[in-house]
Amino acid sequence: DAKTTQPTSMDCAEGRAANLPCNHSTISGNEYVYWYRQIHSQGPQYIIHGLKNNETNEMASLIITEDRKSSTLILPHATLRDTAVYYCIVRVPYGGSQGNLIFGKGTKLSVKP
Amino acid sequence: NAGVTQTPKFQVLKTGQSMTLQCAQDMNHEYMSWYRQDPGMGLRLIHYSVGAGITDQGEVPNGYNVSRSTTEDFPLRLLSAAPSQTSVYFCASSYLAGGANVLTFGAGSRLTVL
Repeated sequence: DAKTTQPTSMDCAEGRAANLPCNHSTISGNEYVYWYRQIHSQGPQYIIHGLKNNETNEMASLIITEDRKSSTLILPHATLRDTAVYYCIVRVPYGGSQGNLIFGKGTKLSVKP
Repeated sequence: NAGVTQTPKFQVLKTGQSMTLQCAQDMNHEYMSWYRQDPGMGLRLIHYSVGAGITDQGEVPNGYNVSRSTTEDFPLRLLSAAPSQTSVYFCASSYLAGGANVLTFGAGSRLTVL
């Protein structure tokens, strides 16, 4: 599996865009990029995923570089409730053990007033 | 729609005791899994199931058993609790979304082993 590298922590001002980077330089052609977040003591929450194209949903946007070696999760207008640990994961499509998601330590995003 | 329900939310055990953490989902998801999370760490996969009657080991399976007799339920059994099993346990279920594996997590079960 491709490994990911994320900054340990980041700060963002409330109301501004939060841009969370993730490097996955060994990603293979069929591996998806997933983003989850975990707000203190709660179960992780799915945010978004993508394969090659940029993706947007009601929570965030995912920008994947053309070579797919890195991606950026964008929270367009961060609020205090977005303070959480954000996990970037890459994984092959679902299929037995290959579908398991492996979580690293993620990025601790602190949104400040 | 309840999603993924875990019980109990909190449990204290003595070393050597056994117990079962319950996990139920009402979304008809085929895939279910158990993770544990220790302070300052990411989630580590304990066991998973790709359907009723099928289970397999994850990264840290020792000391835990699972079974999957129905699509809805995926209990995690601690056979003889040890202090090293003090952790927060999360159950998840998932569906396919365009080939990807999108997990829905429960709220967690916090276990303390004395």
